[in-house]
Amino acid sequence: ETGVTQTPRHLVMGMTNKKSLKCEQHLGHNAMYWYKQSAKKPLELMFVYSLEERVENNSVPSRFSPECPNSSHLFLHLHTLQPEDSALYLCASSLQPGTRNNEQFFGPGTRLTVL
Amino acid sequence: TQLLEQSPQFLSIQEGENLTVYCNSSSVFSSLQWYRQEPGEGPVLLVTVVTGGEVKKLKRLTFQFGDARKDSSLHITAAQPGDTGLYLCAGARLTGGGNKLTFGTGTQLKVEL
Repeated sequence: ETGVTQTPRHLVMGMTNKKSLKCEQHLGHNAMYWYKQSAKKPLELMFVYSLEERVENNSVPSRFSPECPNSSHLFLHLHTLQPEDSALYLCASSLQPGTRNNEQFFGPGTRLTVL
Repeated sequence: TQLLEQSPQFLSIQEGENLTVYCNSSSVFSSLQWYRQEPGEGPVLLVTVVTGGEVKKLKRLTFQFGDARKDSSLHITAAQPGDTGLYLCAGARLTGGGNKLTFGTGTQLKVEL
């Protein structure tokens, strides 16, 4: 138990569906992250939020839309996804992005399959 | 884009054997972290090394940061089946947006009885 929870753990959706992934951290951290983990690829950073403001968007297609209503919650809204978007989506949190070591604590991930 | 190459990519060994995993880059990092990820779970932080040449031990795991802070190694002594998992190194580098982590390509370790 890392103090970061994600729901749902598994999601299967069609290309025309709209769904949302949820992440919650109970660590009192100020920064939250979305990563994509695909087979045979390094973890890809998608978005970074610091104190509820988006500070990084790594050229992610607009069919992925993040939302951070407060420092404990992070959402990833999905719409009109493609089969190649199937992956494990990981949420992480850290004290804040600017800390020297930026140690990140990960949730268990959402396994997404796009049909 | 800085790349962190890990080797080997896959490793299957018997219980009791020793092994070393390497993490190499051409970039300098302010610190380097090692994570282990088990199937169906997210990565879990094992250790952070900060100073060039630093060595940290965590039971049977020994982590070393290269003198130039460009590379790192993880040595496991007398591996156990519970050590099975995906080992990820991640280098931290200060950028305009704060301290950014770049993850390595991963080493999948399987320890068999």
